[in-house]
Amino acid sequence: NAGVTQTPKFRILKIGQSMTLQCTQDMNHNYMYWYRQDPGMGLKLIYYSVGAGITDKGEVPNGYNVSRSTTEDFPLRLELAAPSQTSVYFCASSKGNTGELFFGEGSRLTVL
Amino acid sequence: DAKTTQPPSMDCAEGRAANLPCNHSTISGNEYVYWYRQIHSQGPQYIIHGLKNNETNEMASLIITEDRKSSTLILPHATLRDTAVYYCIVRGSGGTSYGKLTFGQGTILTVHP
Repeated sequence: NAGVTQTPKFRILKIGQSMTLQCTQDMNHNYMYWYRQDPGMGLKLIYYSVGAGITDKGEVPNGYNVSRSTTEDFPLRLELAAPSQTSVYFCASSKGNTGELFFGEGSRLTVL
Repeated sequence: DAKTTQPPSMDCAEGRAANLPCNHSTISGNEYVYWYRQIHSQGPQYIIHGLKNNETNEMASLIITEDRKSSTLILPHATLRDTAVYYCIVRGSGGTSYGKLTFGQGTILTVHP
């Protein structure tokens, strides 16, 4: 099993550009999450999904959108990138509403 | 979810036990204690969790005090690969606690040869 796979691993964007961070998991987990981690800080929840077709906002959703059309995939879209969105983004999944999350390796995004 | 307090950094000699403390004095009855670690630039990794009883798995042991106001994560024989940031997190067991793992600053554990 690959677990949670994120692409791309690194990306540089110009201010105002848009992009999608891809996340897929092969563990048949129904819960999926997106976090961001700024340098030297803990992780903050952006969006989460409890199943296909259901998404909800976390602590810091502004500037992002998500969709969950399948159990496996949970892409995160950045519209009109801003320097404040420079961060490392982590996707995670869990089987049910537990605190045992499986994380991807992260996507490092820089907005210049 | 209850707030946690951890020391910012700790050192440990390779082969010795690493004991990482966590204070969660405002924990409520249905909240679990979770431990994660994050090795440099990687995604966080789940270690262990518990409610009130001590727990052990292949990675670590978790000791929770009887009043549940503090806990200790024990890595019995630390190796250089255990150098990481360790996060102690208190989380509710249901309701609207979806994914709400509040990652604070954690403890930077450095294992020395």
